[in-house]
Amino acid sequence: QQPVQSPQAVILREGEDAVINCSSSKALYSVHWYRQKHGEAPVFLMILLKGGEQKGHEKISASFNEKKQQSSLYLTASQLSYSGTYFCGTGGNNNDMRFGAGTRLTVKP
Amino acid sequence: EPEVTQTPSHQVTQMGQEVILRCVPISNHLYFYWYRQILGQKVEFLVSFYNNEISEKSEIFDDQFSVERPDGSNFTLKIRSTKLEDSAMYFCASSGHRTGTGELFFGEGSRLTVL
Repeated sequence: QQPVQSPQAVILREGEDAVINCSSSKALYSVHWYRQKHGEAPVFLMILLKGGEQKGHEKISASFNEKKQQSSLYLTASQLSYSGTYFCGTGGNNNDMRFGAGTRLTVKP
Repeated sequence: EPEVTQTPSHQVTQMGQEVILRCVPISNHLYFYWYRQILGQKVEFLVSFYNNEISEKSEIFDDQFSVERPDGSNFTLKIRSTKLEDSAMYFCASSGHRTGTGELFFGEGSRLTVL
C-alpha cells in the first residue's frame, strides 16, 4: 500500500521554507526521499532507517516518526535548484518500495 | 560513477506487439526493480527481483509482464501483448540492499508509446 503525501503542490519564493509530509497506514521500517526533475529519473536524497532519526543533506533534512508512521521533509532557504517533484518511498518488511503520489515544488526567483 | 543504463530510450509499438525493455544494473548490486510512470503521474512499483527470482510484485504486474536476468548483467522487462494503457516511462533501478535499508539507483528510463 502506497504512502500518502501532502501537500500535492507548493510554490515558494527563493529563500522560503517548505515541509512535505508522508504518512503510511502500515508499519514502516524505513522511509526514502527522492526528487525528480521534469523528464529525468528520480534521484535519491536520503533514507531514514529508524524511528526518530533525522538526517540532513545540504539545507534539506527529514525526520521519521516510527510510532506515527510518518516522515517529513524540510527544505530551508529554498533555491531555484530545489524545484521538482518530491516522492517519499516507504519500505516494509518485503522487498518492495511504494512511492507516494509526489509533491510538486516550484521555487520562483 | 557507476550507473544504471536502460535501452531503448524510446520505443514506439503497435497495440498487441511484444516489447522487451533492457536494463544493465550497477555491477555489484543484487536487487533489481522495475517501476512505471505514466506521464505526469506517480512512480508505480511493478516488480522486484533477487537471487534470480521475483521477490515482490504489484497488482499491475499481471500475466502480460515478465522479468528475467538472462546473462548475469542484463535485467529485462517483457510485455507480451501491449495495450494502449501500457504507454508510460519505465524505470529500472538497482540496489546493493533490500529496499528497507538501501538507496535505489534509477536508470534514465525507457519511454514506451503504444499506438
